[in-house]
Amino acid sequence: SQQGEEDPQALSIQEGENATMNCSYKTSINNLQWYRQNSGRGLVHLILIRSNEREKHSGRLRVTLDTSKKSSSLLITASRAADTASYFCATDSWGKFQFGAGTQVVVTP
Amino acid sequence: DGGITQSPKYLFRKEGQNVTLSCEQNLNHDAMYWYRQDPGQGLRLIYYSQIVNDFQKGDIAEGYSVSREKKESFPLTVTSAQKNPTAFYLCASSGQGVGGYTFGSGTRLTVV
Repeated sequence: SQQGEEDPQALSIQEGENATMNCSYKTSINNLQWYRQNSGRGLVHLILIRSNEREKHSGRLRVTLDTSKKSSSLLITASRAADTASYFCATDSWGKFQFGAGTQVVVTP
Repeated sequence: DGGITQSPKYLFRKEGQNVTLSCEQNLNHDAMYWYRQDPGQGLRLIYYSQIVNDFQKGDIAEGYSVSREKKESFPLTVTSAQKNPTAFYLCASSGQGVGGYTFGSGTRLTVV
């Protein structure tokens, strides 16, 4: 079973626009992580947010975490064509990692 | 450069044959993991190992086997008992105090 569920499944935007995707989960977590996967490649770790944090930034990425709603969001600002990829959230519940099905993002020039 | 290497990138096998996928890391990470990814889906955990000579089944271990004789290496064998082995296989590792996993670039296995 999958702990994290991303929404939407797919997202198509133009360069310069912002992209927002959400992740909901079911059980208590230590931290939540976001990964990017380019087609046919491995996953690249983007950002980790701990359960006692509410917001975190890394470059053009902004992640929020609401533990009361068991949800997280990833915002990519000023998107670029190179941001085209699938984005996955992963929850860490005391060493047990679970990944969602991902959000496929397409950024068109 | 430290990293995690999976080989081969593409693998073709006939039905009924066992096949072993390689995963090597030089990050000095204690924990290593194998995931399976099917088209348009997330990752499902096959096996994981938190220390040498010890490993645990994940959510979909049936038809797979692993070994962890060295810290650096965590090979996965896809046996003939695995009913639907064609998939993209990802190996990952993680270390103490290190946030997140480091992933290999994956092996795409096709069984014909």
